[in-house]
Amino acid sequence: EAGVTQFPSHSVIEKGQTVTLRCDPISGHDNLYWYRRVMGKEIKFLLHFVKESKQDESGMPNNRFLAERTGGTYSTLKVQPAELEDSGVYFCASSQDRSYEQYFGPGTRLTVT
Amino acid sequence: LAKTTQPISMDSYEGQEVNITCSHNNIATNDYITWYQQFPSQGPRFIIQGYKTKVTNEVASLFIPADRKSSTLSLPRVSLSDTAVYYCLVGDLMGNTDKLIFGTGTRLQVFP
Repeated sequence: EAGVTQFPSHSVIEKGQTVTLRCDPISGHDNLYWYRRVMGKEIKFLLHFVKESKQDESGMPNNRFLAERTGGTYSTLKVQPAELEDSGVYFCASSQDRSYEQYFGPGTRLTVT
Repeated sequence: LAKTTQPISMDSYEGQEVNITCSHNNIATNDYITWYQQFPSQGPRFIIQGYKTKVTNEVASLFIPADRKSSTLSLPRVSLSDTAVYYCLVGDLMGNTDKLIFGTGTRLQVFP
């Protein structure tokens, strides 16, 4: 069974540009989560999808971040325009049922210069 | 989710048993205790979860005393590959959120 995959593994963009991160959850997992670790700080929750619906987006930092999960399969997280403080590692996780046993992808390292 | 406190770092040698203790004095009645492991350049990986007493799986054991104000993750006979950061998380599975709240974790270094 394939795990959670994320693309790209690393992205370097300039301040003001737009970047879109993609996450493919484990097949059949209705729950999809986005987390991030910025500037060596703790991993922080961003939002949670149940199928295509946003269940909890309390962790989204501001309106420069837009997450979608069309069709309830893969998800994208767009940052527009990117700022320096957005640099960090963005993790995606999925689970079949609502659970604290979540399967994480390897992350996307975003560097904004 | 209840706040947790863990040691920042621990050192061990191959073959030894490692016990990492986590304090969660404000744990609520419905809260479960979950541990994750994270290797460098990888996402966190679920290790074990428990509510009370003892839980064991193929990777680790989790000991939870009767008052549930702390828990201990036990790794038997560690190897170099167990070098990682270990996170203790506490939360209510029946609540309205299942987002994980990570602390700073415990950085375990295993030496040969």
